[in-house]
Amino acid sequence: DSGVTQTPKHLITATGQRVTLRCSPRSGDLSVYWYQQSLDQGLQFLIQYYNGEERAKGNILERFSAQQFPDLHSELNLSSLELGDSALYFCASSVAGLAVNEQFFGPGTRLTVL
Amino acid sequence: AQSVSQHNHHVILSEAASLELGCNYSYGGTVNLFWYVQYPGQHLQLLLKYFSGDPLVKGIKGFEAEFIKSKFSFNLRKPSVQWSDTAEYFCAVRLFNAGNMLTFGGGTRLMVKP
Repeated sequence: DSGVTQTPKHLITATGQRVTLRCSPRSGDLSVYWYQQSLDQGLQFLIQYYNGEERAKGNILERFSAQQFPDLHSELNLSSLELGDSALYFCASSVAGLAVNEQFFGPGTRLTVL
Repeated sequence: AQSVSQHNHHVILSEAASLELGCNYSYGGTVNLFWYVQYPGQHLQLLLKYFSGDPLVKGIKGFEAEFIKSKFSFNLRKPSVQWSDTAEYFCAVRLFNAGNMLTFGGGTRLMVKP
């Protein structure tokens, strides 16, 4: 158990819908990262938040957005869902923002878009 | 853009065989290198990391990796695999001074036959 929690574990929805994935970082960690793992794209970095502010952005679609709340939990919002958005979404956390430090990964949320 | 290549997508070994998984990256600057493992149904866990110093890095569970700068490689090795090593292995790179986000390779699925 890494200490990073993600809910829900599984999510099944239809195209065009909107979903929210939730992540709680390890106690004391200020940074949260979101990654998408799909069969065709592999494991890709989406976005990072540090202490409530966006710190880095990767291959995140405009239909996707995220935020980090004052209690440091983070939510990833996916809207206008397409079949290709079906993937495993991982959240990771680390102590710091820019300095290199180990990221601890959560168990992931498996999203299936039908 | 930088990329990370893992040329072996699937590897099947018998117990006690030696393992070497390849990882190459395409970036000429300073990098930090990581190997993560994902056991079936579990989250990503850090096996080992290289930041600087001795290019031969030892990790958990008997794994080691060697950083060869001239070859842009960071291959993972284990002298004698066990059935419990069956998992997917991911190489990841972090660009120095580019935040803490990771770029992952496509992963290598290892199956160890008892």
